[in-house]
Amino acid sequence: DTAVSQTPKYLVTQMGNDKSIKCEQNLGHDTMYWYKQDSKKFLKIMFSYNNKELIINETVPNRFSPKSPDKAHLNLHINSLELGDSAVYFCASSQLLVPSTDTQYFGPGTRLTVL
Amino acid sequence: AQKITQTQPGMFVQEKEAVTLDCTYDTSDPSYGLFWYKQPSSGEMIFLIYQGSYDQQNATEGRYSLNFQKARKSANLVISASQLGDSAMYFCAMSFWVSGTYKYIFGTGTRLKVLA
Repeated sequence: DTAVSQTPKYLVTQMGNDKSIKCEQNLGHDTMYWYKQDSKKFLKIMFSYNNKELIINETVPNRFSPKSPDKAHLNLHINSLELGDSAVYFCASSQLLVPSTDTQYFGPGTRLTVL
Repeated sequence: AQKITQTQPGMFVQEKEAVTLDCTYDTSDPSYGLFWYKQPSSGEMIFLIYQGSYDQQNATEGRYSLNFQKARKSANLVISASQLGDSAMYFCAMSFWVSGTYKYIFGTGTRLKVLA
């Protein structure tokens, strides 16, 4: 069984479109995260939710909006996509809020390409 | 300002040998966490090891150990008995609090190649 799943795995879209990436974890974890990895492999945390409550909200454009309908899901909606949004987006989950000794489990990533 | 630095863009190691990947950090906050992640060429991210700033002992997980030198502000990852499957990008990361807000930053990564 997949612990953290993301859909879609690949997403190719035109500039200006609105798209969503879904994330689900079946580990019973309380905390979920979104990370962005750019073409130079630079990683940045974007958001974190703990029990459906937003706890990390890094300086990302407000075109990005996370939504957590329940603690097993954390979706990422992106409005008015721009070329610079092209990246790999990783979802992750952990039982506890980091910092902790708790392992984070990552999804397989969603490669977003904006044309 | 808080910062994480990985100075080795690439490293080679012979199979079965040990290798150390460097990570230095900068923070004035006494409470922080240090993490290492592995990213193979397939792209997935794998959490390896965690060290808390108040932990007295160095963290170990199987063949991975974190050489935590608080005074030097370094958190090097040591991989013992390297295997071909260890070839990957390795990222160091740090968590900390700033004005009541939780923050999490990554280094630029080190690409490790294990040679047969």
